[in-house]
Order: sequence, then structure tokens, then C-alpha cells
Amino acid sequence: SQQGEEDPQALSIQEGENATMNCSYKTSINNLQWYRQNSGRGLVHLILIRSNEREKHSGRLRVTLDTSKKSSSLLITASRAADTASYFCATDKLSFGAGTTVTVRA
Amino acid sequence: DAGVIQSPRHEVTEMGQEVTLRCKPISGHDYLFWYRQTMMRGLELLIYFNNNVPIDDSGMPEDRFSAKMPNASFSTLKIQPSEPRDSAVYFCASSLGGLNTEAFFGQGTRLTVV
Repeated sequence: SQQGEEDPQALSIQEGENATMNCSYKTSINNLQWYRQNSGRGLVHLILIRSNEREKHSGRLRVTLDTSKKSSSLLITASRAADTASYFCATDKLSFGAGTTVTVRA
Repeated sequence: DAGVIQSPRHEVTEMGQEVTLRCKPISGHDYLFWYRQTMMRGLELLIYFNNNVPIDDSGMPEDRFSAKMPNASFSTLKIQPSEPRDSAVYFCASSLGGLNTEAFFGQGTRLTVV
């Protein structure tokens, strides 16, 4: 399956802390994408990282990709209450995993 | 552009009735995707189109489900007859360039079949 699987399922952190979540996949990929979903809303694209890239940044977000381990991580630094959402990774076929639900406590 | 527009936002229907969900993709996008999201099964890709042509419908659960894209600015997902287990949030998304590019999602249609 080309579906990404996120880990952990849920994460609760204090505002200002960092949040890290992981994505694993099984087959070779051309790129991997991360999306955010706020409650009751559609998914919003965060970052796309290509298979020949190892790390990518966007604001407070940092994504790494290790193709040898078939895994990616998403780091949110200095979290805010507005970061409370579910985060999904998607591989080439835009197949999504179950997501990581992040709760940022004030 | 207003983004991907789905209608209706909420639909409540009785078991056995026909349900039609609608989607207007972002102008100029050549790919359109239909997803279903439930707590049990997560986000499932049902079908996607390229230039109005269905490319992969392997995710469509049963013959009761059908999708069409008569033109570049409109797509429908139809369920006939509907069943309570079809209750879910259905998302439409579009992209420029396919599966390896950023997809833009609509706000979804929450379907409840009673």
C-alpha cells in the first residue's frame, strides 16, 4: 500500500512546546505531503517534500524525509492553540493515513 | 478564486433515497478527487478524474456509488439507494498536475442517512 501511516494517533502538548509526529509508508515514493485538518473543515496543504530532499521548512513547520527508512516527520515548533488539529501525511496516490490529532493546551 | 465549492454542506436523507453531492473544482485544475471520511475508516479516496475522465474508481465501495464529471467545472457523486452506513463526510478536492501536487479541498458535505 502507498498509504502513509501517522504516529502517534494523538498528542497533547502545552502551548509553546514543540510537537513531533511521524509518517511511515511501504513503497517507494516520488514525494510526500503533509496536510492539516481543523475540526469540521477540509484538509489544508502544509508542505510537499520530494524524494530527493531530506528536510524542508515552512514557518514554524519542519519536515524531514528518510527514504531509506520510508519515514517522514513533521515538527511544529513553539506550538499555539491554533495548531490544534489533525495532521495527515499523503504519499504519491494522495492516500491518507488515519492522522495524528494534536491538542495544544493554553 | 473561491476555492473548491461543495454543496450541500449538510444532507439528511432517509434510507433508500437517492443522494447527489456536488463539487465545483478550482478553475484550471485538471484533477478532481472524491474522498469519504469516517471515524472508523479514516479518509478514503473513492475516485479521481483527469480532464473529466475517471482514472481510478477502485475506491468506490459499491455499485450504489457513481461519479460523473460532465465538464471541467462540475462533478457529482451519487448514491442510489442510500444506506445508513453511507453516513460520512464527503470531500471533493482538485489539483493542477495530479497526484504529486498540492490538492485543494472543499469544506465537505456531511451526509446522514437515517
